[in-house]
Amino acid sequence: SAVISQKPSRDICQRGTSLTIQCQVDSQVTMMFWYRQQPGQSLTLIATANQGSEATYESGFVIDKFPISRPNLTFSTLTVSNMSPEDSSIYLCSVVQGPEAFFGQGTRLTVV
Amino acid sequence: QQQVKQSPQSLIVQKGGISIINCAYENTAFDYFPWYQQFPGKGPALLIAIRPDVSEKKEGRFTISFNKSAKQFSLHIMDSQPGDSATYFCAASRISSRLTFGEGTQLTVNP
Repeated sequence: SAVISQKPSRDICQRGTSLTIQCQVDSQVTMMFWYRQQPGQSLTLIATANQGSEATYESGFVIDKFPISRPNLTFSTLTVSNMSPEDSSIYLCSVVQGPEAFFGQGTRLTVV
Repeated sequence: QQQVKQSPQSLIVQKGGISIINCAYENTAFDYFPWYQQFPGKGPALLIAIRPDVSEKKEGRFTISFNKSAKQFSLHIMDSQPGDSATYFCAASRISSRLTFGEGTQLTVNP
């Protein structure tokens, strides 16, 4: 199974600032996924990140707000830009190996 | 996103009892149905998964029942333990593709 390291594990940020979340996988994977989990809620897909191409964003999420980088097959970053309190959530990266999806521990973001 | 509906939202079970969580999906193209367990402060962890070519899969105390014609699947936790207290998510996907998650069920197992 894939082992995913996600940093930071938590952060408290001022509104209007940006935070970049890093996701490192212990093996090469084609697709990486970024999810948001609001308090007490389910997981919502933000975007799919493929190496060497632009990320594909889901409805309601835009690149200017959530820019994603995928420089190689083991690493990706998600930036939450110009943050507001409504961005307070857990952000999770995920990879798929075969049929199975694996998740990082998540980044708990609080915007004040 | 195609929906996956999950019920109940919360469930309280006595130790040793059976916990049952149900999910229904819409997209007949889905061919992979996993269940995830999430403890507070942790990412979801794969618990058990099923493909639509079988009607039941059992791993230890955890069983998935799958009804393709009804587009429903369920998780049964036998002999529930306090350590099973967590949030459970069903999900569905086309294999190796993005997951669509249910709303989640918060399970509490009382000692």
